[in-house]
Amino acid sequence: EAQVTQNPRYLITVTGKKLTVTCSQNMNHEYMSWYRQDPGLGLRQIYYSMNVEVTDKGDVPEGYKVSRKEKRNFPLILESPSPNQTSLYFCASSFRREGDEQYFGPGTRLTVT
Amino acid sequence: GNSVTQMEGPVTLSEEAFLTINCTYTATGYPSLFWYVQYPGEGLQLLLKATKADDKGSNKGFEATYRKETTSFHLEKGSVQVSDSAVYFCALAGGFKTIFGAGTRLFVKA
Repeated sequence: EAQVTQNPRYLITVTGKKLTVTCSQNMNHEYMSWYRQDPGLGLRQIYYSMNVEVTDKGDVPEGYKVSRKEKRNFPLILESPSPNQTSLYFCASSFRREGDEQYFGPGTRLTVT
Repeated sequence: GNSVTQMEGPVTLSEEAFLTINCTYTATGYPSLFWYVQYPGEGLQLLLKATKADDKGSNKGFEATYRKETTSFHLEKGSVQVSDSAVYFCALAGGFKTIFGAGTRLFVKA
């Protein structure tokens, strides 16, 4: 089954404790992206990747890191999480970067206390 | 920069009512436009899309037309069902980025 998977689905952590949210797709997509969803703000793009070893900042990259060492994986790293990063996070992928639909993962709900 | 504005919700309708959710955009160039739907507890999934002016996207009874002259991409459905209750996002893709609207929550009552 073609899908985007994210882990963990739920995470509660404390300020400053490094964490990684994994994202994997099995559709051989070139383009992958991370979004955060907050009430009243819709989805905002954090980082995106056009292909292996090619990444760039979205609209809200502060406090986040990403890497793309393999085509299928695109982990999101929070080196020192803060409470304002409490949010619902979505990973998405598409075959090309524009004009094609994006396939979304099920989401990761992160709470930073 | 590019932006998307969609009508605030929630929108509450009775079953079989007509639905319109307004979406307007500002963009340089010729972006693609999308409507995504999010059911409770799930990720977003594509509802329909249009890639150039005057294109009409349609799916599951929903329609939207890419209007360059009014910079709009309004979502419509002639007769909603309870199962259409969800959050709907208008989105614009240009270059390497996709911009989403704030989302409109739809409740459909039986």
